[in-house]
Amino acid sequence: DAKTTQPNSMESNEEEPVHLPCNHSTISGTDYIHWYRQLPSQGPEYVIHGLTSNVNNRMASLAIAEDRKSSTLILHRATLRDAAVYYCILRPQAGTALIFGKGTTLSVSS
Amino acid sequence: GAVVSQHPSRVICKSGTSVKIECRSLDFQATTMFWYRQFPKQSLMLMATSNEGSKATYEQGVEKDKFLINHASLTLSTLTVTSAHPEDSSFYICSATFEGGGNQPQHFGDGTRLSIL
Repeated sequence: DAKTTQPNSMESNEEEPVHLPCNHSTISGTDYIHWYRQLPSQGPEYVIHGLTSNVNNRMASLAIAEDRKSSTLILHRATLRDAAVYYCILRPQAGTALIFGKGTTLSVSS
Repeated sequence: GAVVSQHPSRVICKSGTSVKIECRSLDFQATTMFWYRQFPKQSLMLMATSNEGSKATYEQGVEKDKFLINHASLTLSTLTVTSAHPEDSSFYICSATFEGGGNQPQHFGDGTRLSIL
């Protein structure tokens, strides 16, 4: 499976934007880039996913580099409830399981 | 949005007990369901993949006779931890997906915290 590299941890202040980076230099042409987050003692929550073009939804934006070797999850205004572990995962084909790495632990301060 | 319900949320039982965990997709038909396990301060580890009406595919190192998976319908999968021991204590999480075209998200349950005394 293609692997991703994320920083272990990041810190942010409330109301500020947060840019969570992810490197995936071995991505293949059919891999979708998925982002999930996990709050303490809960199952992961879907955030966003994309293939080539940037994507926006009510939770976040996903910026994908032109060569697709990296991507950035953007939280436009962090809140305390955004404190979680964020996982960037490549999904090779429909129906396959998501394989989780260590993710980035995001801390948000008031 | 799509919802996956997992029950029970917490189980505490004695060593040697068998425990069944249910996972239901509430508003969609799940073509595939997945079971994960998560130990404290670690990431999720995939245990098995199941498709409705067929045998589950287990990841290397996961004992299929210990972790019985039944996927009887497109909305229900169960994981039974047979003769559980303290080392089986963990956070078990199910996930479901509907692949009707494109690359759909996986939807996760809220997990079951299993504690074996």
